[in-house]
Amino acid sequence: EIVLTQSPGALSLPPGERATLSCRASQSLSSSQLAWHQQRPGQAPRLLIYGASIRASGIPDRFSGSGSGADFTLTISRLEPEDFAVYYCHQYGSSPHTFGQGTKLELK
Amino acid sequence: EVQLVESGGSVVRPGASLRLSCAASGFDFDGYAMSWVRQTPEKGLEWVSAINWNGGSRAYAESVKGRFTISRESAKSSLYLQMNSLRAEDTALYLCARQGSSGYYSSIDSWGQGILVTVSS
Repeated sequence: EIVLTQSPGALSLPPGERATLSCRASQSLSSSQLAWHQQRPGQAPRLLIYGASIRASGIPDRFSGSGSGADFTLTISRLEPEDFAVYYCHQYGSSPHTFGQGTKLELK
Repeated sequence: EVQLVESGGSVVRPGASLRLSCAASGFDFDGYAMSWVRQTPEKGLEWVSAINWNGGSRAYAESVKGRFTISRESAKSSLYLQMNSLRAEDTALYLCARQGSSGYYSSIDSWGQGILVTVSS
């Protein structure tokens, strides 16, 4: 099983700042089969990024994904109030699929 | 618009069985693989099971293998999860999810709101 470790566990930033979230896999992911999902309180998760760096439909360009192999990053260039949420990375290239434990992005 | 609506959640005793359903609409159900993911405050998101577009290939997390069965019904555009021998640790919000292609080695691209399953004596 591929274990995904996200860091930091929580991140406190003011609006307008840049946020950098990390996801490290216990082994290299084939074909960069990694996604990022956002979950706001009381809502279902929402796909942001797939294939490590491809924005999903309707996702603002302030969200970007990068990385390959076992190290991946989600960057939010300028935080908006609606971006304060929990972010999960998810690998889908190997069974069982796995999720990271999440990074909570908090308003400072 | 893709819509995934789960049903069938309940409070049950350990050892009981339960069947979850997910009604899909707004897309060609037969063209996509589907998954079940569960969520708890302690563990976050945990992948449970996935099925390819025609039901010919299925995968399960080790924690549910041999107890849970995923299936789909094209005529009803529905996904199911039959859960047997339920344990307290199966207590969670169960979310139905659509994969981005016909095979389940693709990203989840849509999620349902989830349905609560509680296993307690």
